[in-house]
Amino acid sequence: GAVVSQHPSWVICKSGTSVKIECRSLDFQATTMFWYRQFPKQSLMLMATSNEGSKATYEQGVEKDKFLINHASLTLSTLTVTSAHPEDSSFYICSARDLGTSGARNEQFFGPGTRLTVL
Amino acid sequence: GEDVEQSLFLSVREGDSSVINCTYTDSSSTYLYWYKQEPGAGLQLLTYIFSNMDMKQDQRLTVLLNKKDKHLSLRIADTQTGDSAIYFCAGLSGYALNFGKGTSLLVTP
Repeated sequence: GAVVSQHPSWVICKSGTSVKIECRSLDFQATTMFWYRQFPKQSLMLMATSNEGSKATYEQGVEKDKFLINHASLTLSTLTVTSAHPEDSSFYICSARDLGTSGARNEQFFGPGTRLTVL
Repeated sequence: GEDVEQSLFLSVREGDSSVINCTYTDSSSTYLYWYKQEPGAGLQLLTYIFSNMDMKQDQRLTVLLNKKDKHLSLRIADTQTGDSAIYFCAGLSGYALNFGKGTSLLVTP
């Protein structure tokens, strides 16, 4: 089946530093990847949609200068949290859509998530 | 965007059936999904239903869709302790998935 990986799985950083999270589709090409944020005991909130070769589309209320997204290839999207602060601590999950297998289901395949803790 | 509501917690005994309910507001959702999330992990797609279907059965899982009432349910037959997790329903609206807050299912021996 379609597998999506994320790296790192967890990261602890100091306030003011930047953190890059990678999302890779391992066995399929993903023209579209999605970045979600999940707070404890909360739902997943879509942050942005990342399209290969074009600028990401951010959801309302998400600062694009704070959360930089780069989808440079059909198998890799990165999310960089710039000048991270404690309120950015969260679980970040990516998903990818495979036009070949998603088909009519429009299925998104999810990565295992990255736990970010900003001290 | 779409509002998706779920009950937050459900506890059942091992071997019983579990029913997790979900209501949504966007009648244009083409697909509705059920995802499972285990602690510290990403989401695993359990099953989905197309909006023109009323029911879908997949082994121990039965999905019921009432479009008139915008109500979706997931029934897990013969619930096992390994089914303990958070279950999210989600509706597809355009390209975006709108998730409910998740129902924590606890299965006790």
